[in-house]
Amino acid sequence: DIVMTQSPDSLAVSLGERATINCKSSQSVLYGSNNKNYLAWYQQKPGQPPKLLIYWASSRESGVPDRFSGSGSGTDFTLTISSLQAEDVAVYYCQQYYNTPVTFGPGTKVDIK
Amino acid sequence: QVQLQESGPGLVKPSETLSLTCTVSGGSISTYYWSWIRQPPGKGLEWIGHIYYSGSANYKSSLKSRVTISVDTSKNQFSLKLRSVTAADTAVYYCARAAIAGSATNWFDPWGQGTLVTVSS
Repeated sequence: DIVMTQSPDSLAVSLGERATINCKSSQSVLYGSNNKNYLAWYQQKPGQPPKLLIYWASSRESGVPDRFSGSGSGTDFTLTISSLQAEDVAVYYCQQYYNTPVTFGPGTKVDIK
Repeated sequence: QVQLQESGPGLVKPSETLSLTCTVSGGSISTYYWSWIRQPPGKGLEWIGHIYYSGSANYKSSLKSRVTISVDTSKNQFSLKLRSVTAADTAVYYCARAAIAGSATNWFDPWGQGTLVTVSS
């Protein structure tokens, strides 16, 4: 199984400041034949299911604010919130879908400083 | 807009079988892979397994001996059975759809709201 790790476990950022979350996979999730990274990001608020933010490592889901962006390739990925808003307080998970079983990172909790 | 809704008992006794159903509305269950994912209280997400509308299923290896996922296309539903449960199986159970038709490994969208199942005597 591909093991996903995230750092930090939690972070507190001032409103309007940048938040950066890292995700690392135990093996590359870049598929050579189509040059796509099989990596998604989700946001989860208490009592709610995860909400898709990013897929293919950097494609933003429709309706997701453009302050959310994804980057990276191979084994190292980043989710950036360019200007943190109060409604962004949540836990963020990365997920690889390169192969089965799909696996998730342990999550990063984002709070307001 | 496709919506998913989990249903089933919220309390299961140790050693018994956890049974949940996911009802798909607003679209057909056909041509997609449908997954069960769980989240123990305060912890992360674990994929349990998925099923194609044709009935072909795949499970996480560590759960394979205890899990069965089935589909009923006539009812637009798919179901989870987890046998011989213990307290470690206490979790919120989500059903979810693979985002791209016909693709087994995918991101998930949409998700159901989730249902908490507690294993306790």
